[in-house]
Amino acid sequence: GENVEQHPSTLSVQEGDSAVIKCTYSDSASNYFPWYKQELGKRPQLIIDIRSNVGEKKDQRIAVTLNKTAKHFSLHITETQPEDSAVYFCAASLTGTASKLTFGTGTRLQVTL
Amino acid sequence: DVKVTQSSRYLVKRTGEKVFLECVQDMDHENMFWYRQDPGLGLRLIYFSYDVKMKEKGDIPEGYSVSREKKERFSLILESASTNQTSMYLCASTGTGGMGTEAFFGQGTRLTVV
Repeated sequence: GENVEQHPSTLSVQEGDSAVIKCTYSDSASNYFPWYKQELGKRPQLIIDIRSNVGEKKDQRIAVTLNKTAKHFSLHITETQPEDSAVYFCAASLTGTASKLTFGTGTRLQVTL
Repeated sequence: DVKVTQSSRYLVKRTGEKVFLECVQDMDHENMFWYRQDPGLGLRLIYFSYDVKMKEKGDIPEGYSVSREKKERFSLILESASTNQTSMYLCASTGTGGMGTEAFFGQGTRLTVV
């Protein structure tokens, strides 16, 4: 089955700096890679996703890149703000009937003033 | 605007009890999932279901079972609760979009087994 590794487990940046979180996956057939943000005491929510037919996607201050050959994908947050502090999870899945999302172990991002 | 609802936010049960965690979604989604969330271990899949009465084991199914009698409801059952099942349990659902669709999560149930 799919295995997703995520690094780092914790990340502390100063407000305004950039943050990068990296994930690798094992199943070359996986074709959908979402990122979820979980604020303290709240449910995970999708912030951005990328499909295997593109290499990069951007939405305002966040971007995701995908390298299918190397089987890794990354989340980039620029101009970080205190409200970016949360736990971020990457995930991978093979879409279709009975598809399931396999998550990484999470990265706790702390943005300090 | 709640789309996935779990029946309890907090539960305290005794070792050996049978425990039911309920999840209901109102988006007519085909797929439903139960995850367990533990610090440093991320979200681990226990069971999922892609249709009524259908179920598939996830990565950590031992000690758990599930039931999906109606499309909108997916139940997680701990047949005989043990202290190592103390955890946060998250339910999620997705549609069957061709190239991946957003997973919507419930608010979580924090289960403590004493």
